Amino acid sequence: KNEVEQSPQNLTAQEGEFITINCSYSVGISALHWLQQHPGGGIVSLFMLSSGKKKHGRLIATINIQEKHSSLHITASHPRDSAVYICAVLEGTSGSRLTFGEGTQLTVNP
Amino acid sequence: NAGVMQNPRHLVRRRGQEARLRCSPMKGHSHVYWYRQLPEEGLKFMVYLQKENIIDESGMPKERFSAEFPKEGPSILRIQQVVRGDSAAYFCASSNQGQGLYGYTFGSGTRLTVV
Repeated sequence: KNEVEQSPQNLTAQEGEFITINCSYSVGISALHWLQQHPGGGIVSLFMLSSGKKKHGRLIATINIQEKHSSLHITASHPRDSAVYICAVLEGTSGSRLTFGEGTQLTVNP
Repeated sequence: NAGVMQNPRHLVRRRGQEARLRCSPMKGHSHVYWYRQLPEEGLKFMVYLQKENIIDESGMPKERFSAEFPKEGPSILRIQQVVRGDSAAYFCASSNQGQGLYGYTFGSGTRLTVV
């Protein structure tokens, strides 16, 4: 079992839909990151969370430390949101490196 | 501020050759991390360096792979005698604090193809 599990693996939505991507982890962490990766492109850091909720534009990220679970929400989705979204945790003990989920491939159709 | 610069973007090597991947961290960042993304797989940690020091290399293969971050110049990930299984995207990230507690900035990656 991976230390970081994401669901769903693949997600197809129509433009304008509300999207949720989930991340569960099994280790103690000091922070959780949500990353975005476009095809053939680099990786962009969207959020870093250690508690609560953060919002940036149409993106919202939440984390529940007790339940070891985080969600990334996209409101009013758009085709340009199509990308791979990756959850990564900074483990509390090792502290120096990220452990990544397998990613969620999101496709938003016009 | 150009962000994290990786070069080359694409690198093709024949089996047995050496590959050198470079990463210049963001200005003011002294912590560098290398990650590898094999085809159809997730990202995996390789090594964490500060200037002139390797802090954590627990993700590095035991043979053929080495990394450095000299006092001057970029961080280098070196792969000797490359094999087809080394074909992957290699990403570098930097931070201004250890443990990335204030966030990471990623480069665009180097896509290595071994033929």
